[in-house]
Amino acid sequence: QSALTQPASVSGSPGQSITISCTGTSSDVGFYDYVSWYQHHPGKAPQLLIYGVSNRPSGVSDRFSGSKSGNTASLTISGLQADDETDYYCSSYTYSSRVVFGGGTRLTVL
Amino acid sequence: EVQLVESGGGLVKPGGSLRLSCAASGFSVNNAWMSWVRQAPGKGLEWVGRIKPKTEGATTEYASPVKGRFTISTDDSENAVFLQMGSLKTEDTAVYFCAAEGYSYGYHSFYDWGQGTMVTVSS
Repeated sequence: QSALTQPASVSGSPGQSITISCTGTSSDVGFYDYVSWYQHHPGKAPQLLIYGVSNRPSGVSDRFSGSKSGNTASLTISGLQADDETDYYCSSYTYSSRVVFGGGTRLTVL
Repeated sequence: EVQLVESGGGLVKPGGSLRLSCAASGFSVNNAWMSWVRQAPGKGLEWVGRIKPKTEGATTEYASPVKGRFTISTDDSENAVFLQMGSLKTEDTAVYFCAAEGYSYGYHSFYDWGQGTMVTVSS
C-alpha cells in the first residue's frame, strides 16, 4: 500500500487561503468517504482536524474545511494565521482494511 | 476523559526485540479498534497495524513493512495494548504512537492519541 500523495510544501500569507491536496487511488480515497486530516506539531501527538472527508471535531476552527473529488481529497485553510505553520497529513481507510497516510505537507506562513 | 500512555521505548540492536505498552483510561480497549502509528525521524506518519475488539474476533492487520515481525495484542485486565516488535531493523527507528481508531468520531479517524515513545534501532 503506497502512501497517499501530498505536496511536500505549501505557503501563504496571513489572511489568505491555501489548499493541500491528497491523492490516492480507487482502493482508498476514491473507495470510501473515510478521509481524515491531521495537524502535527513535531514532538506532539497529531491533532484531528477533519474526519469523514468534511466533518470537523468539536473545538476545531471552521477555518479548516475538507472535500473530495474522485481519488483526491483536499484540505483548505482559510484566514491563515502564524500558528497554522506546521505539518499536515491526510489519511484514508483502504479496501484491504488498512489505513494509509499521506507523506505530509509543511505549511509555511509567509 | 480518554487517555493513552505509551511506554517501553528505548535503544535496541538490529535483529533484537522490544515490547511497547499503551495504557488506556477513560474507555475500554475491548470496545475500540486500537492502532499503532509511527513516525521515523524526518519522515511522515506511517500506520503500523491494528487490533479489533474481542467481540470482533480480536483480528489484527499490519502494514507490509512490519507484517510477520510485529504483533499487536491487548490485555483486558490491564486495559492496555501491546506492540511486540521482533527482527528489528534500523528503519524501524521511530516515535511510536498508539491511537484509538474511530473511537471518538468514527470514520477510521484518529482523535485519541498517546504522547508517543521513541524506539531507536542501532548497533
